[in-house]
Amino acid sequence: DAGITQSPRHKVTETGTPVTLRCHQTENHRYMYWYRQDPGHGLRLIHYSYGVKDTDKGEVSDGYSVSRSKTEDFLLTLESATSSQTSVYFCAISEPPGWQNTGELFFGEGSRLTVL
Amino acid sequence: TQLLEQSPQFLSIQEGENLTVYCNSSSVFSSLQWYRQEPGEGPVLLVTVVTGGEVKKLKRLTFQFGDARKDSSLHITAAQPGDTGLYLCAGLLNSGNTPLVFGKGTRLSVIA
Repeated sequence: DAGITQSPRHKVTETGTPVTLRCHQTENHRYMYWYRQDPGHGLRLIHYSYGVKDTDKGEVSDGYSVSRSKTEDFLLTLESATSSQTSVYFCAISEPPGWQNTGELFFGEGSRLTVL
Repeated sequence: TQLLEQSPQFLSIQEGENLTVYCNSSSVFSSLQWYRQEPGEGPVLLVTVVTGGEVKKLKRLTFQFGDARKDSSLHITAAQPGDTGLYLCAGLLNSGNTPLVFGKGTRLSVIA
């Protein structure tokens, strides 16, 4: 199994508070991703990183920011949490897709966030 | 607009039955992957198909990539309760410069 750790695994917070989720990998994979998973919507990409300090937006990036200061850590921050951000968040890692790699993802176990 | 359409969304069958899940698109993919997710866990890769017309077998699971690389199917023979879970297809667009595109998933329940 890929070494991916998400923290915290569960969090309950109130509307308007900042929240940071952490993803830590021990695989030295270049790409890291944050997804949210909601019933009826499947997995939706929030942000991803293709290297240290290199990040890009996904399809549902509004209200979220990310940072990657080290290869092994990718942080997802909700500056001011809203109830619509209640979800299960998954971190994933991969090698860059290319002729030797089809970009398979290895996922963490998820972080369940509830915003009251 | 969903780039990858999965069907059916939900499937509840009896143990021993066969089933097929479909993943369709109007776009061409350089590769397509199938993941399975169990409750409380992250998705886990089952298989990757890369060649049009390719068929891969994983025990009772058979995966096929369409000739035009726009669609894929997952067939399970003699389903067992252990097959219960969420099945997700994900495709890498031909350019290869964008992240995987996911379907919304098929939630399978196999009843003993």
